[in-house]
Amino acid sequence: QKEVEQDPGPLSVPEGAIVSLNCTYSNSAFQYFMWYRQYSRKGPELLMYTYSSGNKEDGRFTAQVDKSSKYISLFIRDSQPSDSATYLCAMIKAAGNKLTFGGGTRVLVKP
Amino acid sequence: EPEVTQTPSHQVTQMGQEVILRCVPISNHLYFYWYRQILGQKVEFLVSFYNNEISEKSEIFDDQFSVERPDGSNFTLKIRSTKLEDSAMYFCASSRDRVYEQYFGPGTRLTVT
Repeated sequence: QKEVEQDPGPLSVPEGAIVSLNCTYSNSAFQYFMWYRQYSRKGPELLMYTYSSGNKEDGRFTAQVDKSSKYISLFIRDSQPSDSATYLCAMIKAAGNKLTFGGGTRVLVKP
Repeated sequence: EPEVTQTPSHQVTQMGQEVILRCVPISNHLYFYWYRQILGQKVEFLVSFYNNEISEKSEIFDDQFSVERPDGSNFTLKIRSTKLEDSAMYFCASSRDRVYEQYFGPGTRLTVT
């Protein structure tokens, strides 16, 4: 079983729709959960991070973590064509400093 | 807004040659990292560096790889004898004091022929 799994997509939505992304993981040692956005041939850009279970909101973005199910989500409200990118989840253990990434979900927001 | 910079943006080298990839982390950051992404694959951790020493490395980071912080601003990744399978995008990242808040550079595309 892969440590972090993410549906590769593509996920195509009309402008203004809610984009729903998720990752599952197998290692219960992961404590911090991050979402990165990556445009083609660019570096990952940190969007949000959350610690343990719960929700966190930042503007149009909401991150959720359910540690009991080993499942994390990112919601993008009022999606824009500029949100078209690959979204990567990443995780880190409490005592570690390496990020373990999912494979990314490609999102297309159509005008 | 401060950002991580990397040079060169693209490096082409022949198999067996040595390459040095350069990074300038964000100036008040304390932790430095290298990751790589082979085309179409996941971003993979290579190494983390703190207080002038390697703090963690992956099994990918074998004796062919080394890292150095030669001065107060640069952070380098050296590959001693490149292989075809080293062709990838290499990303440098840095964080200040929270290792879960890592900021990535734009990457160096390494092509080994």
